[in-house]
Amino acid sequence: GENVEQHPSTLSVQEGDSAVIKCTYSDSASNYFPWYKQELGKRPQLIIDIRSNVGEKKDQRIAVTLNKTAKHFSLHITETQPEDSAVYFCAALLQGAQKLVFGQGTRLTINP
Amino acid sequence: DAEITQSPRHKITETGRQVTLACHQTWNHNNMFWYRQDLGHGLRLIHYSYGVQDTNKGEVSDGYSVSRSNTEDLPLTLESAASSQTSVYFCASSDSTGWNTEAFFGQGTRLTVV
Repeated sequence: GENVEQHPSTLSVQEGDSAVIKCTYSDSASNYFPWYKQELGKRPQLIIDIRSNVGEKKDQRIAVTLNKTAKHFSLHITETQPEDSAVYFCAALLQGAQKLVFGQGTRLTINP
Repeated sequence: DAEITQSPRHKITETGRQVTLACHQTWNHNNMFWYRQDLGHGLRLIHYSYGVQDTNKGEVSDGYSVSRSNTEDLPLTLESAASSQTSVYFCASSDSTGWNTEAFFGQGTRLTVV
């Protein structure tokens, strides 16, 4: 089955700097890659996603890149703000299976 | 507005007892999932369902069961609670039709087995 590895497990950056979180997946048939943000005590919520037919997607300060050949995808957050502090999860969805497999999560801390 | 809700939000139970966690969604989604969240392990899939009367085991299904008698509900049962099942449990649902595969999560249930 699909396996998703996420790095780093914790990340601390200065406010205003950029943050990058990386994920690799094992099954080349996976075709949908969402990123979820989970604030303390809250439920995970989708912040951005990318499908296998595109290489990059942006939404204001966040962007996701996908390298299908290498089977890895990354989340980029620019001009970080204190409200970006949260746990971020990447996930992969196997085509036809409709179930998401999640990475282990990254705790991002933005230092003022 | 459509939503997905879990109950209870917090539960303390004793080892060996049977516990059922409820999940109810009004999105009319065919797909429903149960995950557990533990530090260092992210979200691990326990059981999932693609529709009424359909259930499937996830990667950590031992000690858990689910049933799907209607579209809206997927209750999760711990047959005989163990301390290793102390965790935060999330239910999620997604659409099985079209191009939208976003999963929506419930608020979570914090279960403590003592």
